Amino acid sequence: GQNIDQPTEMTATEGAIVQINCTYQTSGFNGLFWYQQHAGEAPTFLSYNVLDGLEEKGRFSSFLSRSKGYSYLLLKELQMKDSASYLCAVRDNDYKLSFGAGTTVTVRA
Amino acid sequence: DSGVTQTPKHLITATGQRVTLRCSPRSGDLSVYWYQQSLDQGLQFLIHYYNGEERAKGNILERFSAQQFPDLHSELNLSSLELGDSALYFCASSAGLAETGELFFGEGSRLTVL
Repeated sequence: GQNIDQPTEMTATEGAIVQINCTYQTSGFNGLFWYQQHAGEAPTFLSYNVLDGLEEKGRFSSFLSRSKGYSYLLLKELQMKDSASYLCAVRDNDYKLSFGAGTTVTVRA
Repeated sequence: DSGVTQTPKHLITATGQRVTLRCSPRSGDLSVYWYQQSLDQGLQFLIHYYNGEERAKGNILERFSAQQFPDLHSELNLSSLELGDSALYFCASSAGLAETGELFFGEGSRLTVL
């Protein structure tokens, strides 16, 4: 099975940087993913890590350490529209993608 | 617009009833995933189909069943409905086995059981 932990809520100021941590325990690892979900909407894909290291995509970066079962999503230059829930997800060797409960990020002016 | 279509968008029914949720994946996508999202819970994986075959199963109740048809659309059947089944049911698709990780989610079907 899989156990995925991430903080419930985070608050930051517009223009700042926020780091959302995710730790996981899985019986088989085949990739870690981050999704963004605005309230009442469908999740949308942000990033994918399968090897250790940092993946950068514009204002968003994601880091993975497989040995530590740890990932983080870094959101830079925060904008009001970044207020959303951020979901960490882990895929096992059977291609089952399991999601954490999500971290609600609130961006204040 | 992700290209994934789910119907109905909203459904209200009574306990003990049976409903069918439908999902049309993006054109060409072979994989369909079903997730349940309740108010107090994250996305719970239900089941994954790849090219018509069941690929992986999560904590799907025995009262729930799904299938993927030859035209690749999928249906999720929920029977003997209980109040606790009220949730947002998402369908997602990917081209293959989501080698690059990206699932495309539909807008969801919101089920309310009274």
